[in-house]
Amino acid sequence: QVQLVQSGAEVKKPGASVKVSCKASGYTFTDHYIHWVRQAPGQGLEWIGWIKPNNGATNYAQNFQDWVTMTRDTSISTAYMELTRLRSDDTALYYCARGPLWPRFDSWGQGTLVTVSS
Amino acid sequence: QSALTQPASVSGSPGQSITISCTGASSDVGGYNYVSWYQQHPGKAPRLMIYDVSNRPSGVSNRFSGSKSGNTASLTISGLQAEDEAHYYCSSYTSSARGVFGGGTNLTVL
Repeated sequence: QVQLVQSGAEVKKPGASVKVSCKASGYTFTDHYIHWVRQAPGQGLEWIGWIKPNNGATNYAQNFQDWVTMTRDTSISTAYMELTRLRSDDTALYYCARGPLWPRFDSWGQGTLVTVSS
Repeated sequence: QSALTQPASVSGSPGQSITISCTGASSDVGGYNYVSWYQQHPGKAPRLMIYDVSNRPSGVSNRFSGSKSGNTASLTISGLQAEDEAHYYCSSYTSSARGVFGGGTNLTVL
């Protein structure tokens, strides 16, 4: 069955960077986009961007363009999202999700909690 | 890209029907048939309930249905059950090949 397994929780200081991984299994990794979504505590869902695994193309939400980088390693069916210059309001649960180009997410990772605190 | 507009909360009694709206613009909801709806229970990842405006994934009850008119999409849940109590989010494709979510709606089953 389709599974997306994310890396574990992270605690970072303001100004630091974090890299979250998302390992896919149960399907052909290069056949579907990987999107990243975040959810701050008690808040709604926020779309961050997508990566197209077969060629590495990316597209980021305007709010994240200057400080997010999405990459992938097709040899291990894993996508990555790196956030730089972290601030306290970046504290959130970060999800990866499988979909086509448009946001139709039929499978989600378990979420990675990133806490930014001095 | 501004978030799509959803009511903050809706409520209904068991057995009743409710509708949640999701309003965007011609550059997102109105321009594409790529609206999805997600259900999220506390502490859980979102679950896809409706995709491409009105399609149900396998395993989703036929009590859930979706539609769209102009720049507004809607999710209707008929025959409300206690387990339907959750947050619901809409999402849409946008003209810049990006995604956008609604602010979320808290459904209470009275």
